[in-house]
Amino acid sequence: QVTLRESGPALVKPTQTLTLTCTFSGFSLSTSGMCVSWIRQPPGKALEWLALIDWDDDKYYSTSLKTRLTISKDTSKNQVVLTMTNMDPVDTATYYCARRPKEGSSWPFDYWGQGTLVTVSS
Amino acid sequence: SYVLTQPPSVSVAPGQTARITCGGNNIGSKSVHWYQQKPGQAPVLVVYDDSDRPSGIPERFSGSNSGNTATLTISRVEAGDEADYYCQVWDSSSDHRYVFGTGTKVTVL
Repeated sequence: QVTLRESGPALVKPTQTLTLTCTFSGFSLSTSGMCVSWIRQPPGKALEWLALIDWDDDKYYSTSLKTRLTISKDTSKNQVVLTMTNMDPVDTATYYCARRPKEGSSWPFDYWGQGTLVTVSS
Repeated sequence: SYVLTQPPSVSVAPGQTARITCGGNNIGSKSVHWYQQKPGQAPVLVVYDDSDRPSGIPERFSGSNSGNTATLTISRVEAGDEADYYCQVWDSSSDHRYVFGTGTKVTVL
């Protein structure tokens, strides 16, 4: 059974750094082709892809947010961590982690975590 | 940057057919995936690679993709189908690489 769960602070102040952890089970990020991604959704708005890390430790970022994002993995703990620097109120959103199960960028995200709402406010 | 455009809303009576479009430049050359998102819940994959269904997704959900438009069709609509629906593609030249549509709210009358 595949599950993913996001954890992190519910509230951060402007200019602070956000650190989110995705803890997953039911699969291994050392399996060839396996990837985990972060996707966010501002309240009432559409989904926005942020970053992806694959089984080979290759990392991909949204071009517009690349300078602020870092994604990493701890295969032994079954965790993927996303850090986002210089948080702003416009970054208020629900942050999801999701699995892409196979090699090939056109594969979909087949399992998602329940999401964690992050509010940026002083 | 690659843009996927969906109608903001679609209304349908129970038992009827809902069609949700996703417009993008030459989208027919890409693999399109569709996600259903109910209020307060995470997205769920309902159609992938234009027209395939994950296990557990009813046959009432189907998809097609050609030219500049992909379509998600929900047949024999039920009250439980009321949700937001998002299309998604991968585009190597796009800022976001994994591009999501603007989303469509399906209302069951």
